[in-house]
Amino acid sequence: KQEVTQIPAALSVPEGENLVLNCSFTDSAIYNLQWFRQDPGKGLTSLLLIQSSQREQTSGRLNASLDKSSGRSTLYIAASQPGDSATYLCAVRKAGNQFYFGTGTSLTVIP
Amino acid sequence: GAVVSQHPSRVICKSGTSVKIECRSLDFQATTMFWYRQFPKQSLMLMATSNEGSKATYEQGVEKDKFLINHASLTLSTLTVTSAHPEDSSFYICSARGGFSGGTSTDTQYFGPGTRLTVL
Repeated sequence: KQEVTQIPAALSVPEGENLVLNCSFTDSAIYNLQWFRQDPGKGLTSLLLIQSSQREQTSGRLNASLDKSSGRSTLYIAASQPGDSATYLCAVRKAGNQFYFGTGTSLTVIP
Repeated sequence: GAVVSQHPSRVICKSGTSVKIECRSLDFQATTMFWYRQFPKQSLMLMATSNEGSKATYEQGVEKDKFLINHASLTLSTLTVTSAHPEDSSFYICSARGGFSGGTSTDTQYFGPGTRLTVL
């Protein structure tokens, strides 16, 4: 069974810092990996989707990498802002419809 | 961009009643819709997958007679929690995947804003 782990569970950084969130998964046979943002009491916002054949994706200040063979993905946030404060979830998808979510990293950016 | 809506956003009901949650794709045809549940401080868990016009596929441990899913059209799926009990209180999120006009399709799941269910 696929297990997805996110480290750290919580992170607090001063505004302007660059930071890295980590996601690891036990089964490398994935179809794609997606990073999401969840604000308190709200649904998910998709940030970046990386196909299994890709190594990274970039959107604005966000960069996500994927190393399928080692079962790792990172989400890099450059020049963090207070508005980036949220819970960040990674999810891996196996062929078919099954998604496996991590438990998330709660990020607080201090002004 | 693709938008998925859910209604209601929040519902409080008495134990034993049934609650229906709607999930709509507003600007694309959702050939596949997913229903997730999230308990406090836990991650999202997939409950079921539904393809338009066919029966939903439920994940292990999810009672199909309790969580009725209907995906009658390419833009609407409903989740009905029958005879709800306090342990069903949770955050329910739907997502959709499908195709856009012009023939393009997307592998990305677009998520709704979620429905907070509280059963008293």
